[in-house]
Amino acid sequence: GENVEQHPSTLSVQEGDSAVIKCTYSDSASNYFPWYKQELGKRPQLIIDIRSNVGEKKDQRIAVTLNKTAKHFSLHITETQPEDSAVYFCAARRNTGNQFYFGTGTSLTVIP
Amino acid sequence: DSGVTQTPKHLITATGQRVTLRCSPRSGDLSVYWYQQSLDQGLQFLIQYYNGEERAKGNILERFSAQQFPDLHSELNLSSLELGDSALYFCASSEEGVSPTYEQYFGPGTRLTVT
Repeated sequence: GENVEQHPSTLSVQEGDSAVIKCTYSDSASNYFPWYKQELGKRPQLIIDIRSNVGEKKDQRIAVTLNKTAKHFSLHITETQPEDSAVYFCAARRNTGNQFYFGTGTSLTVIP
Repeated sequence: DSGVTQTPKHLITATGQRVTLRCSPRSGDLSVYWYQQSLDQGLQFLIQYYNGEERAKGNILERFSAQQFPDLHSELNLSSLELGDSALYFCASSEEGVSPTYEQYFGPGTRLTVT
């Protein structure tokens, strides 16, 4: 099956700086890559996703890049704010109807 | 509000007991997923049901079982509970179709405490 690795496990940045979280996957047939944000004690929520036929996607301060050849994808958060502090999970999925494979999570702390 | 509901919100029980967690997916969603999240841990995939049938199995213990009913709601049964089963249990649902990009919507979770 698929194996998703996520780095780093913890990340601290100053407010206003950028944050980058990276994930690698093993199954070349995976074709959908969502990112989730989870605040303490709350449900994971989708913040951005990308399909394998796209190299980059942006939504305001958040962007995701995908390198299919190297089998890795990254989350970029610019101009970080204290409310960006949370745990972020990447995931990969092969086909519709199949399970999602999650990374182990990155705890992001934005220091005011 | 994601549209996925889970009951109960909190559950406190003793070791050796059995509990049932319930999940109602978003209207029209065919897939239901169960995840376990222990304190400061990631999301451990337990099991997936699609339109009433088991589709995928993850790290689900033999003491745990699940099912999806004809109305698409799902139940996760945990038996012979141990202290280590204390965790947040999330249910998620997803619409399925030709595209693989259907978002997975998470419920609010059930916090299980085993004493």
